[in-house]
Amino acid sequence: ELLLVESGGGLVQPGGSLRISCAVSGFTVSTSYLTWVRQAPGRGLEWVSVIFSGGNTYYADSVKGRFTISRHSSRNILYLEMNSLRPEDTAIYYCARAGDGYTAYDYDYWGQGTLVTVSS
Amino acid sequence: QSALTQPPSASGSPGQSVTISCTGTSSDVGGYNYVSWYQQHPGKAPKIMIHEVTKRPSGVPDRFSGSKSGNTAFLTVSGLQAEDEADYYCSSYGGSNNVIFGGGTKLTVL
Repeated sequence: ELLLVESGGGLVQPGGSLRISCAVSGFTVSTSYLTWVRQAPGRGLEWVSVIFSGGNTYYADSVKGRFTISRHSSRNILYLEMNSLRPEDTAIYYCARAGDGYTAYDYDYWGQGTLVTVSS
Repeated sequence: QSALTQPPSASGSPGQSVTISCTGTSSDVGGYNYVSWYQQHPGKAPKIMIHEVTKRPSGVPDRFSGSKSGNTAFLTVSGLQAEDEADYYCSSYGGSNNVIFGGGTKLTVL
C-alpha cells in the first residue's frame, strides 16, 4: 500500500524556520516525482515545490529562495526546509506523488497534511 | 503567474449534469495538455479525478469527464450523486516547471 505521512508542523514566529517531513512507504522517493502543495485555512490549493526523480528541484515564486525541498533516499523521506517564514505561509502542507502513468505535474497519492502556523 | 479562474460555486440536482470551467491563458491551460482536476471533501486531502485534460484514473467513475477549448478547461459531472458534493480544483502546467491551481469551485448537490 502506498502511504505518505507528513509531520513536523507547528507554530513558528515570523522570520523563523521549520522543517517538515513526509515519510513514504510502498515506493521509493529517489525514483519518484514528489511535490509539496499547501492550502491556507479556508483557501484554495497552492503549488509550492517539486523534486524530480533525477534530483532537479523547482519552486513557486512565492517561496523561492526561502524554501528548500530535498529527500533522504535511505530513510525514504521527503523534506521541506522553510526559512524566513511569513504569516502568509500559514497553511496545511501536503506532500504528493506523481505516479506511473502521470506527468510530473499530476499527483495521484497525497498525504493527510501537516499544519504550519506562522504567528507571533 | 496568476491562479486559474474558476466559478466559486456550482450546483445541480441528483441525476443532473454540471460543468465547471477553468480559465487560464495561452501560457498555461491553452499552451499544454496538462490540465488536472482534483476533488476535495472537507478535512480531506485532494483526490485526482482527471489528468492530462481527459484521462480518468482507474477507480474514478466515468460520470466524470474533462475537456478543453482554447484557454479554458472543463470538468463535467454527469448523473450527479450526493457524494459528488465537494470542492473541485483545476491545475495546469504553467511552464518553467511549475504548476498553477485554480481558486476552487464548491459543488453543491441540491
